[in-house]
Amino acid sequence: AQTVTQSQPEMSVQEAETVTLSCTYDTSESNYYLFWYKQPPSRQMILVIRQEAYKQQNATENRFSVNFQKAAKSFSLKISDSQLGDTAMYFCASTSGTYKYIFGTGTRLKVLA
Amino acid sequence: DTAVSQTPKYLVTQMGNDKSIKCEQNLGHDTMYWYKQDSKKFLKIMFSYNNKELIINETVPNRFSPKSPDKAHLNLHINSLELGDSAVYFCASSQGGRLINQPQHFGDGTRLSIL
Repeated sequence: AQTVTQSQPEMSVQEAETVTLSCTYDTSESNYYLFWYKQPPSRQMILVIRQEAYKQQNATENRFSVNFQKAAKSFSLKISDSQLGDTAMYFCASTSGTYKYIFGTGTRLKVLA
Repeated sequence: DTAVSQTPKYLVTQMGNDKSIKCEQNLGHDTMYWYKQDSKKFLKIMFSYNNKELIINETVPNRFSPKSPDKAHLNLHINSLELGDSAVYFCASSQGGRLINQPQHFGDGTRLSIL
């Protein structure tokens, strides 16, 4: 079965500093897609960034970037210049064959003033 | 111009009642989903419909019955509600179901509380 693992249940970072959230996955698919979602206390699920597995270049969206290591099946999220508004649950997700997405258990990130 | 809208946002009801949650998307997507998020924030897929056809049914009690009248709507009806049904239920949609390469778009969630 395909799995997505987030080994850090909680993390904290000082405002303006950089933090990296870990995610590993296991898949038998040859082509797949990876995503990071953010869920703030308002409980909306917001797409942060996505990565196509066949692209070697790491995706970047403003202060958010990923470190995609395909051989290691690792997909970490780096948040630079952390802001108070980044406080949220972060979910890593992978597409899984037909019609399905697999989510990790989430990492609760707290940005400290 | 909400992309995925679900109603109601909050639902408080007694054990044993029957309730429905509605979901609509205006993104033109062909695939819709229901997820359950428990108190530990774990997000679990319940159902998925592609062009009104059920394609994923993840070991959900048959008290839960999804209905998709068209590809823009996916409703969830729950019979005989139990305490363990208390959770946040998310509707989501995506395009290109079979070879999914697009992210899912989520509704704001419905917090269901069973008394």
